Amino acid sequence: EAAVTQSPRSKVAVTGGKVTLSCHQTNNHDYMYWYRQDTGHGLRLIHYSYVADSTEKGDIPDGYKASRPSQENFSLILELASLSQTAVYFCASSADWVSSYEQYFGPGTRLTVL
Amino acid sequence: GQQVQQSPASLVLQEGENAELQCNFSTSLNSMQWFYQRPEGSLVSLFYNPSGTKQSGRLTSTTVIKERRSSLHISSSQITDSGTYLCAMEQGGSAKLIFGEGTKLTVSS
Repeated sequence: EAAVTQSPRSKVAVTGGKVTLSCHQTNNHDYMYWYRQDTGHGLRLIHYSYVADSTEKGDIPDGYKASRPSQENFSLILELASLSQTAVYFCASSADWVSSYEQYFGPGTRLTVL
Repeated sequence: GQQVQQSPASLVLQEGENAELQCNFSTSLNSMQWFYQRPEGSLVSLFYNPSGTKQSGRLTSTTVIKERRSSLHISSSQITDSGTYLCAMEQGGSAKLIFGEGTKLTVSS
């Protein structure tokens, strides 16, 4: 069974503060992703990575940075948190395109920016 | 416009009734996934279905790539099926998923 964990599970941050969300996978997957979900909507891709030390912009990267220091770990960084970044953040992983792009999701992090 | 359209947006059923959820894509896709989102927010992958029909218990997913659509059939619905069902498409070789807005299902006794 694929295993993706996220920390923290919930966080309250102040406007203008720095927030780091962490993701760890034990699937030996090459690809990792960060999505955000706003209440009542689907998920949108922020950043993704297909190899350590490299990240790619997704569909809504503005205001976010990502870091992939190892195959297992992928972080999402909000340098200056804003009210509009209040959302639930999901991390996911998948294998390479030869085998399958099926994505496995973590439990989510609920971020509230005040 | 929205690349992934899900319908209906919400659905209310009596326990035991069947449900048919639809997902239509405006662009070509490589494969797609169906997810169930529990009321508390966690995501469960139901099907990774590049094409054809897959079944798991009371759930059946059918994807027709050429027609850019996928459906999820839930038979004999149960109260525990309540939650939000999300479909997501993977564009050709991109490894990225584009999600629909979801169908909120409520099953009552």
